[in-house]
Amino acid sequence: KAGVTQTPRYLIKTRGQQVTLSCSPISGHRSVSWYQQTPGQGLQFLFEYFSETQRNKGNFPGRFSGRQFSNSRSEMNVSTLELGDSALYLCASTEAGANVLTFGAGSRLTVL
Amino acid sequence: SQKIEQNSEALNIQEGKTATLTCNYTNYSPAYLQWYRQDPGRGPVFLLLIRENEKEKRKERLKVTFDTTLKQSLFHITASQPADSATYLCALDMGGDYKLSFGAGTTVTVRA
Repeated sequence: KAGVTQTPRYLIKTRGQQVTLSCSPISGHRSVSWYQQTPGQGLQFLFEYFSETQRNKGNFPGRFSGRQFSNSRSEMNVSTLELGDSALYLCASTEAGANVLTFGAGSRLTVL
Repeated sequence: SQKIEQNSEALNIQEGKTATLTCNYTNYSPAYLQWYRQDPGRGPVFLLLIRENEKEKRKERLKVTFDTTLKQSLFHITASQPADSATYLCALDMGGDYKLSFGAGTTVTVRA
């Protein structure tokens, strides 16, 4: 089975721009979660989707949004980028009924 | 709010020795606790899950204990090897499926 695939792996944006990150889960996994990882705050939960519905949401401003498609692929969007949004954004998929996350390699976002 | 603390940011040990990592939590009673390993530039990889009614779990050279009275988990790497050098993260469920709260991690360096 292919693992969780995230694209792009690296990107550089400037303040005020927006960015869209993509995640393809493991085949058959219907739950996709997103996390932000920074040196200061560690791994923080953004949101989780299952069958195209957001089931859980973390404490992030409305500039952070996401969606899931019928094929379980997911995207997250950050609008009006701020310097503090520079981070590694990690996507993870989960098999139904399991509690274990399988992470992708992440998308490294740098905001200048 | 829930708080998760991992005992130290860094742990340096000699090859062959046992590394012991601590994860303490407050203000919550998780149904289970997980440990992940993260290598630089990669997403976390699941290692072990232990449930609240389990005292100990083992997988090869890894051992995890879970004391719900002390609100603490210990993670042991026995007969450590340089290949075990990585950051180890503990994670607790936050009461919702697939919504985990992570500790800041402990970076283990095993010297040959």
